[in-house]
Amino acid sequence: KNQVEQSPQSLIILEGKNCTLQCNYTVSPFSNLRWYKQDTGRGPVSLTIMTFSENTKSNGRYTATLDADTKQSSLHITASQLSDSASYICVVSEGGGADGLTFGKGTHLIIQP
Amino acid sequence: NAGVTQTPKFQVLKTGQSMTLQCAQDMNHEYMSWYRQDPGMGLRLIHYSVGAGITDQGEVPNGYNVSRSTTEDFPLRLLSAAPSQTSVYFCASSYVLGGYYGYTFGSGTRLTVV
Repeated sequence: KNQVEQSPQSLIILEGKNCTLQCNYTVSPFSNLRWYKQDTGRGPVSLTIMTFSENTKSNGRYTATLDADTKQSSLHITASQLSDSASYICVVSEGGGADGLTFGKGTHLIIQP
Repeated sequence: NAGVTQTPKFQVLKTGQSMTLQCAQDMNHEYMSWYRQDPGMGLRLIHYSVGAGITDQGEVPNGYNVSRSTTEDFPLRLLSAAPSQTSVYFCASSYVLGGYYGYTFGSGTRLTVV
């Protein structure tokens, strides 16, 4: 069964600090891996999308990496801000449409002033 | 440009009642889908549609019906609400992004069944 595991489950850091969130997956076939940010009470918003040929992709202070050989991805947040407090969800796609997506449970990140 | 609009934002139902969760998009996307999000679990696909008149089941379709009479609207119907359907429901509209789909999610409907 396809699975996406995220760690840690939750994380608290001080404003201005960096952090890294992890995602391991066992999805086959693999088409692409996505990171989403979900603010409390809102729907997920896309941060990055990477195919198997991409090792890294950035979106402002967010940088995602992908190792397709070990089936691992990470999301690094630089110089955290209070607005980064949210859940971050890793999603792996087999290709095709919505029926080919496997969602992780998310990492709940809290930024403290 | 409103994107994906879901109504209502909150709803409380009694067991056995029926209701329709509304989802509308103004981006002319062909592909739409419904998910539920439960504590401690990833989003799970309920139903999806690749275009007007075409729908298919996802991972957890039981107790839900959908129809797609127009490109813009994709309502989700709960036939006879059960406490197990207490959840947050998200609708998404999909667009082609290079060789794959990108997803725009609505803000969700929080449903409580008592």
